[in-house]
Amino acid sequence: EVQLVQTGAEVKKPGESLKMSCKGSGYSFANYWIGWVRQMPGKGLEWMGIIYPGDSDTKYSPSFQGQVTISVDRSISTAYLQWSSLKASDTAMYYCARKSIGGNEFDYWGQGTLVTVSS
Amino acid sequence: DIQMTQSPSSLSASVGDRVTITCRASQTISYYLNWYQQKPGKAPKLLISTASSLQSGVPSRFSGSGSGTDFALTISSLQPEDFATYYCQHSYTTPPFTFGPGTKVDIK
Repeated sequence: EVQLVQTGAEVKKPGESLKMSCKGSGYSFANYWIGWVRQMPGKGLEWMGIIYPGDSDTKYSPSFQGQVTISVDRSISTAYLQWSSLKASDTAMYYCARKSIGGNEFDYWGQGTLVTVSS
Repeated sequence: DIQMTQSPSSLSASVGDRVTITCRASQTISYYLNWYQQKPGKAPKLLISTASSLQSGVPSRFSGSGSGTDFALTISSLQPEDFATYYCQHSYTTPPFTFGPGTKVDIK
């Protein structure tokens, strides 16, 4: 069974750093792109970026380029999303998802990590 | 970047109704259009890929159509478990593979 298990909820202060994780299981992790999607409170889905665990090739949405870093540790089947300095506007639910091997849709999703940034 | 729009932004319907949601891309995307369902507090779920390919396990009352810039998701007979928000997403050539703003389907 394909599973993506994400870090638990985080509460941070503005200016703090954060690195959240997404661990894949039940499939060949190295062979599928993993993506990240933001959902701000009460809002829609925003495509942030994707990474290929096989060679760490990464593609960002222009809206998120330079704002976050996507990385991967293939040895432990885990992808990461990190911030060096959080802002209140980073408060959101963040989902990781697996991109299907034959297309660019996300066929499996993690349960989401809620990030709250507040002073 | 390709922009996606959806209409309506919300709709109220009754169990048994036929419901159609439309999605439009800002440029042609061939048939590279996906549909997701999201229920409150849950992760999105892929329903349909490449405009009309129903994912395994998705009920046949869901169908997708369209190509080019205009697409539709149809629920032939709305069931209680279908009340949710629906998002389209393009998956044409290069990222970002943007989502539409969503259509909330609630109970009349």
